[in-house]
Amino acid sequence: EVHLLESGGGLVQPGGSLRLSCAASGFTFSNYDMGWVRQAPGQGLEWVSTISSSDHSTYYADSLKGRFTISRDNSKNTVHLQMNSLRAEDTAIYYCAKDHSDSSGFYPFDHWGQGTLVTVSS
Amino acid sequence: DIQMTQSPSAMSASVGDRVTITCRASQGISNYLAWFQQKPGKVPKPLIYTASSLQSGVPSRFSGSGSGTEFTLTISSLQPEDFATYYCLQHNSFPRTFGQGTKVEIK
Repeated sequence: EVHLLESGGGLVQPGGSLRLSCAASGFTFSNYDMGWVRQAPGQGLEWVSTISSSDHSTYYADSLKGRFTISRDNSKNTVHLQMNSLRAEDTAIYYCAKDHSDSSGFYPFDHWGQGTLVTVSS
Repeated sequence: DIQMTQSPSAMSASVGDRVTITCRASQGISNYLAWFQQKPGKVPKPLIYTASSLQSGVPSRFSGSGSGTEFTLTISSLQPEDFATYYCLQHNSFPRTFGQGTKVEIK
């Protein structure tokens, strides 16, 4: 069974940094693209970032403007999101999500973690 | 960037109603469109991939259609457990973009 467990969320002051982690199990981690999606309180879903399985190419939402960095450690089945220069508008639940691809096609975000809450406030 | 516009943003419906939600892309995305359901306080659940393929375990009353720039999610007979918020997602290109969501409420 696929399991994604996020950690690292919490309260941080504006301008501060946090590093989120997502521990994956139940599948061959190195074979699949991984990503982060966030949801501000009472708001919709927002794609944040994706890292590919093949060459570790990284992709980011334009709104992040270079403040976030996604990485993965295939030896530890973990994906990270380093968040710097945090702002109040970054306050959200951050979900780790897995992509899936097989002979039938490509399926974005076929499994999700429970999320970790990031609160940016003084 | 590709913008995804969902309509309506909210709707009221009764059990047994046929419900249709539309998602429009600002440019063609072929069939790289997915639909997700989210209930309050819960994790989003995938429903449909590649515009019309039902995720395993999803009831057959859910269906998706469309290609290019216009897509629809249809619930043929709304059930009590279907009251939720629905999101479309384009994955034709990065940055991926979600629609703003459609909240389906009980009439």
